[in-house]
Amino acid sequence: GAVVSQHPSWVICKSGTSVKIECRSLDFQATTMFWYRQFPKQSLMLMATSNEGSKATYEQGVEKDKFLINHASLTLSTLTVTSAHPEDSSFYICSARDWGPSYNEQFFGPGTRLTVL
Amino acid sequence: KQEVTQIPAALSVPEGENLVLNCSFTDSAIYNLQWFRQDPGKGLTSLLLIQSSQREQTSGRLNASLDKSSGRSTLYIAASQPGDSATYLCACYSGGSNYKLTFGKGTLLTVNP
Repeated sequence: GAVVSQHPSWVICKSGTSVKIECRSLDFQATTMFWYRQFPKQSLMLMATSNEGSKATYEQGVEKDKFLINHASLTLSTLTVTSAHPEDSSFYICSARDWGPSYNEQFFGPGTRLTVL
Repeated sequence: KQEVTQIPAALSVPEGENLVLNCSFTDSAIYNLQWFRQDPGKGLTSLLLIQSSQREQTSGRLNASLDKSSGRSTLYIAASQPGDSATYLCACYSGGSNYKLTFGKGTLLTVNP
């Protein structure tokens, strides 16, 4: 149980375009989802916390107009990188918090590799 | 603000050796601590999660310990194998009502045949 999927697993786009990444909890309801980014040989950095039905909370230094987060249902959160530039190229990983017996644990998706040309 | 440090940054050992990875955290008010494995270009695989009330967790050849008072955790890998080669990440759940997971930078483990 507690499976989180991400789509797409990788994407290549031209500079200036927008890219949407989906994060789904497949077998549980997630009131809270988290978005992380990871640069090569670096650790995961939390970008934002997404609560179902409300606005996301962004970490300091993360541009909310650049990284649009929508959490419209208990099983789906989306991250849209708007007007992507090469410096946005990174590995984006989402996680979801299960409010069942494992309520203190986050379950991670497999990640999305974004390359902006 | 929680800070998580992992030492060493990289470790290379011969196959069969037992090894210990270290993790330290600055804020002892944690909910849980979790160890992950990450293969190159891949997502995270959860290895062990230790509740704040626990001292250790074991799974197969892996044993993780937690000492909240000193802000330390260790991951012990017994009889290492080449397939254990990966980056190992330590992460702490903390933050009270502002619940967050803070990661260390990881230890890159290479087990040589």
